[in-house]
Amino acid sequence: QSVLTQPPSVSAAPGQKVTISCSGSSSNIGNNYVSWYQQFPGTAPKLLIYENNKRPSGIPDRFSGSKSGTSATLGITGLQPGDEADYYCGTWDSSLSAGKVFGGGTKLTVL
Amino acid sequence: QLQLQESGPGLVKPSETLSLTCTVSGGSISSSSYYWGWIRQPPGKGLEWIGSIYYSGTTYYNPSLKSRVTISVDTSKNQFSLKLSSVTAADTAVYYCPRHTYYYDSSGYSRIDAFDIWGQGTMVTVSS
Repeated sequence: QSVLTQPPSVSAAPGQKVTISCSGSSSNIGNNYVSWYQQFPGTAPKLLIYENNKRPSGIPDRFSGSKSGTSATLGITGLQPGDEADYYCGTWDSSLSAGKVFGGGTKLTVL
Repeated sequence: QLQLQESGPGLVKPSETLSLTCTVSGGSISSSSYYWGWIRQPPGKGLEWIGSIYYSGTTYYNPSLKSRVTISVDTSKNQFSLKLSSVTAADTAVYYCPRHTYYYDSSGYSRIDAFDIWGQGTMVTVSS
């Protein structure tokens, strides 16, 4: 059971917009930065968003991140078949069991 | 361009110690801006942070694994290593070594930010 809660799957048609939620608590998302990762089968995760809403160099502006209270959201516009992947959110948890925590991952299907 | 590469045995027997090394190329492990971490992913499951190390040797570990984990750094070889003792089948996973940034919270404690560059990962199976 993951500390951060993500929907197991989301789907949308090419060209559409999709959002992936990541829910936590005041000990993690509420007081720490959130990052998002994209992972294709058999490959390492790739950083998409850091510090809640910043994109690393080379990440298209179709990908966006936001945070409100104890939840964060990844948005993807202009969906492409190549966006079909698993997406993970991550943040620091400042509770007694402090450490880096991740969501369980969301499988994005481009219909 | 910075690259990370994991290496080590792909098969470990139960109760033994898993040992992996991550070699950093195209840049120095002694950068003050980064920590170096280990993350694992069991087959078909999500990501689990194992621990991280700074070039000075400062470490912090996942509390759930802390009793079995040791991470060390060798700056002369531009490498850092993971040792996980008393392994069981539950430790079977792809092990990744990523670099990560960090920031300080309002109390002055360092916190992991984002894992920005990853190794390709290495599959480790625990089986007799």
